[in-house]
Amino acid sequence: NAGVTQTPKFRVLKTGQSMTLLCAQDMNHEYMYWYRQDPGMGLRLIHYSVGEGTTAKGEVPDGYNVSRLKKQNFLLGLESAAPSQTSVYFCASSATGAGGNEQFFGPGTRLTVL
Amino acid sequence: GNSVTQMEGPVTLSEEAFLTINCTYTATGYPSLFWYVQYPGEGLQLLLKATKADDKGSNKGFEATYRKETTSFHLEKGSVQVSDSAVYFCALLNTGFQKLVFGTGTRLLVSP
Repeated sequence: NAGVTQTPKFRVLKTGQSMTLLCAQDMNHEYMYWYRQDPGMGLRLIHYSVGEGTTAKGEVPDGYNVSRLKKQNFLLGLESAAPSQTSVYFCASSATGAGGNEQFFGPGTRLTVL
Repeated sequence: GNSVTQMEGPVTLSEEAFLTINCTYTATGYPSLFWYVQYPGEGLQLLLKATKADDKGSNKGFEATYRKETTSFHLEKGSVQVSDSAVYFCALLNTGFQKLVFGTGTRLLVSP
């Protein structure tokens, strides 16, 4: 039982390049989330999904796209990377969105955009 | 809107000292409250939670009590260890929403 895994762990991009971050969970969770973590700002929600085939915008969605084609996977795409997207990205999942439900986090992806 | 305010760090303590990290929140309705911990180089892990007023969450010697009257959820530990050095995040999840709202995090440094 691996929990939540993220690929890759580190990546360096040049401005304008594209990439996809992959998140996978083996807990059969319905809800999945993408956050970014920046110094002094805590975690901010980018996009989330309440089930296979659904996605919704979070607090800071601009410049990102997501897809949830399979229940266990949640992809985060950057079509044209910008230096402002330099951050640590965390994926999380939870069984439901109900109050009290724990979100399980992946180990993170450190992205640098030059 | 919903928000969480935490004390700024770093908090620097000697081993066996008493720890308090303050957390206050603003929310409509009756949110659930959480403390998450992030050890160096890792993702966040749930430390403890409370889902209604006056509930006390506890885990690994840490405690926090959901105080509706003061809209607070302060984290405490009676005797910290070097291994407790980490960043601690307070968060809330409001009824009807699926999104956690995080505070900015408080770094704790414990020296031997």
